[in-house]
Amino acid sequence: EAGVVQSPRYKIIEKKQPVAFWCNPISGHNTLYWYRQNLGQGPELLIRYENEEAVDDSQLPKDRFSAERLKGVDSTLKIQPAELGDSAVYLCASSRDRGELDTQYFGPGTRLTVL
Amino acid sequence: SQKIEQNSEALNIQEGKTATLTCNYTNYSPAYLQWYRQDPGRGPVFLLLIRENEKEKRKERLKVTFDTTLKQSLFHITASQPADSATYLCALVYGGYNKLIFGAGTRLAVHP
Repeated sequence: EAGVVQSPRYKIIEKKQPVAFWCNPISGHNTLYWYRQNLGQGPELLIRYENEEAVDDSQLPKDRFSAERLKGVDSTLKIQPAELGDSAVYLCASSRDRGELDTQYFGPGTRLTVL
Repeated sequence: SQKIEQNSEALNIQEGKTATLTCNYTNYSPAYLQWYRQDPGRGPVFLLLIRENEKEKRKERLKVTFDTTLKQSLFHITASQPADSATYLCALVYGGYNKLIFGAGTRLAVHP
């Protein structure tokens, strides 16, 4: 079974530029998560989707971040414009459902560097 | 405020010894607690889940304890190997669904 796929793996941009990250979850997984992981810290949830509906986006900085999950499969996370403080690893995860016992499977992440 | 603390210092141990990692939390009442392993350049990988009414859980060389009175979980790796070297993250399952609150992780280095 293929794991969670993310692209690109690395991205370097100038501040104020836009950037987008793509995620393809494990087939059949209804719930998709985007996390941000700062250096030396654990992942922090940005947004959670159940199918195509964003059901928890309380931690997403909505002034510059947006996300979508069309057709309830692939998802894109966008930052526009990027700031220096956005440098981090952006992780996508998926789980079969939203239950407390549903294991989350993480992708390798996209390492973003904002100069 | 809510807080999850893991040893910020790296843990260095000799191969064959038991590694013990600590996760303390405050102002949470999680029903479940999970441990993940993260290698450099990779996403976290799920290892074990323990319920609040379970004192101990084992999987091969791994053992997790969960003390809801002390608000602490201990993660043990017995007969450690250099391949066990990684960062280990604890995560509380919170909010009535699969919402994870992660600690910062502890880096383990097992030396031959």
